[in-house]
Amino acid sequence: AQSVSQHNHHVILSEAASLELGCNYSYGGTVNLFWYVQYPGQHLQLLLKYFSGDPLVKGIKGFEAEFIKSKFSFNLRKPSVQWSDTAEYFCASGGATNKLIFGTGTLLAVQP
Amino acid sequence: NAGVMQNPRHLVRRRGQEARLRCSPVKGHSHVYWYRQLPEEGLKFMVYLQKENIIDESGMPKERFSAEFPKEGPSILRIQQVVRGDSAAYFCASSPAAESFYGYTFGSGTRLTVV
Repeated sequence: AQSVSQHNHHVILSEAASLELGCNYSYGGTVNLFWYVQYPGQHLQLLLKYFSGDPLVKGIKGFEAEFIKSKFSFNLRKPSVQWSDTAEYFCASGGATNKLIFGTGTLLAVQP
Repeated sequence: NAGVMQNPRHLVRRRGQEARLRCSPVKGHSHVYWYRQLPEEGLKFMVYLQKENIIDESGMPKERFSAEFPKEGPSILRIQQVVRGDSAAYFCASSPAAESFYGYTFGSGTRLTVV
């Protein structure tokens, strides 16, 4: 069965610090991977997705993620965070025709 | 606005009452998904529907919960005889096709509080 693990539950950073959030998935077949962001009180919004091609994916707001097949990982990165990046971040995976399975989320707090 | 519309945004029910949550997908999307979000637990899949069909209800509790997506009108998630443990945020998402690489568009959720 598919599963997604996000090992960092809470992350606190100062503005301008670099960010890396871990995500590991378990599905062994063709996999599509996503990062979603949920700002306080709002719905989930898509940050970026990977389904084939270049394993380094660039998304909105300066975020990027790298698909490393050998490690079953899809970590999210941003070189310099801002206070406005304070939110909850969810990694998700889907097979070729499967529903999306979400990780438990990582709460990021950026201190000004 | 072409997004996923959910209503109500907030719903308060007493124990034993029924809760009905509505979801109108993005225009042209025929695939609807319901998720429940609890603190510290992330998003848990509940059910996947296409028009008039339940495709996957593996995440639905066996009792009191049901979902439908009729030919006309919104998708409905129905919780009968609510209990305090049903208090959560319920999110609906839609996609244009079954293939997951399309990703989902999410609604703003319904926050259910059972008192």
